Amino acid sequence: GQNIDQPTEMTATEGAIVQINCTYQTSGFNGLFWYQQHAGEAPTFLSYNVLDGLEEKGRFSSFLSRSKGYSYLLLKELQMKDSASYLCATMDSNYQLIWGAGTKLIIKP
Amino acid sequence: GAVVSQHPSRVICKSGTSVKIECRSLDFQATTMFWYRQFPKKSLMLMATSNEGSKATYEQGVEKDKFLINHASLTLSTLTVTSAHPEDSSFYICSARSYRGDTEAFFGQGTRLTVV
Repeated sequence: GQNIDQPTEMTATEGAIVQINCTYQTSGFNGLFWYQQHAGEAPTFLSYNVLDGLEEKGRFSSFLSRSKGYSYLLLKELQMKDSASYLCATMDSNYQLIWGAGTKLIIKP
Repeated sequence: GAVVSQHPSRVICKSGTSVKIECRSLDFQATTMFWYRQFPKKSLMLMATSNEGSKATYEQGVEKDKFLINHASLTLSTLTVTSAHPEDSSFYICSARSYRGDTEAFFGQGTRLTVV
């Protein structure tokens, strides 16, 4: 079967660093995406990993280990505006996106 | 990145009426468009995949006669919720993938449908 797991909710402090983990089991693999979604809005693209390793983009970095079926999104220098849900999604062999339930990130001053 | 425009952003309709939601790719040609539904605090649920010029492929449990999808051109797909009921109230989001086969799917702004 296909399954994506990520924590339901996390809390972090402004200025700190937080890591959101995602584990997956999918039939075929054509990459993993991270999206940010603010309440009432559509998701916005953050990152795409298809090869193992770390991809850094400003304050956000995403890591992938295909052998472990594992990814994480690392957010540095947290800002209040980073409070949102973070969705992990994999693309299967049919190029369909399989979505995790999302991790609600709460940033405290 | 590419722009996908979804309209309307919010709509309130009476029970029993139909509502049409449009999804347009503004600066690229989208061979495939996806329609999602999202309940509060839940992840995206894929309803159907539409390819330009062919019938949409619906996910299991999604009523094709209730959620009519038309992908008449490479830049426009529409979702019509027919005979809407209060339980159809939800957040509907479209996304589009370009004909170039880009892996990234670009999302519309979403439509908040409330059926009263």
